[in-house]
Amino acid sequence: GAGVSQSPSNKVTEKGKDVELRCDPISGHTALYWYRQSLGQGLEFLIYFQGNSAPDKSGLPSDRFSAERTGGSVSTLTIQRTQQEDSAVYLCASSLFPGRNTEAFFGQGTRLTVV
Amino acid sequence: TQLLEQSPQFLSIQEGENLTVYCNSSSVFSSLQWYRQEPGEGPVLLVTVVTGGEVKKLKRLTFQFGDARKDSSLHITAAQPGDTGLYLCAGLIQGAQKLVFGQGTRLTINP
Repeated sequence: GAGVSQSPSNKVTEKGKDVELRCDPISGHTALYWYRQSLGQGLEFLIYFQGNSAPDKSGLPSDRFSAERTGGSVSTLTIQRTQQEDSAVYLCASSLFPGRNTEAFFGQGTRLTVV
Repeated sequence: TQLLEQSPQFLSIQEGENLTVYCNSSSVFSSLQWYRQEPGEGPVLLVTVVTGGEVKKLKRLTFQFGDARKDSSLHITAAQPGDTGLYLCAGLIQGAQKLVFGQGTRLTINP
């Protein structure tokens, strides 16, 4: 596709349920990031994938959060046993290659609401 | 703990005024970027600075990277209502590829 695509755009779930958020990066981009953004706030780093290297999971807030990237392309962020504090916009970004001049292209995000 | 501190977090000024937004850290970055985010959209890159002391201009926007590559500033001259938005700085951590963001500056330009 022309840009980074995220689905669903909105998700309302009940507390305690599991959710999966999907990210389709720009074709050929080797780097993929997940961020979380609370209302009106900055971006909180969650996880970073680069090619076939082990992902940098240092930003995942708890073991309820996990992410996969299959075939170096599509990524799924899974949140188990959702809590109300998980409510936020989850943003995915991809970049062509890691490097100082690399631009991160963002999707429009998934707005997650836990009720 | 926020790796990148932006200030101010909120700024509301009149059209035509000048403003400066700051992005500070105790860490050294390989490069620093500024993004702008509109409601309901993902951030969009404005500029990347990579050399300590570097200054880049984009029309009425001037970006500066600190000599020690730990801080940056964004200066807007003669602000316009179209400049309204959330401005985010992001640093590429030296020795790693992790891109970390500040908490953002929400800028409102009043006509």
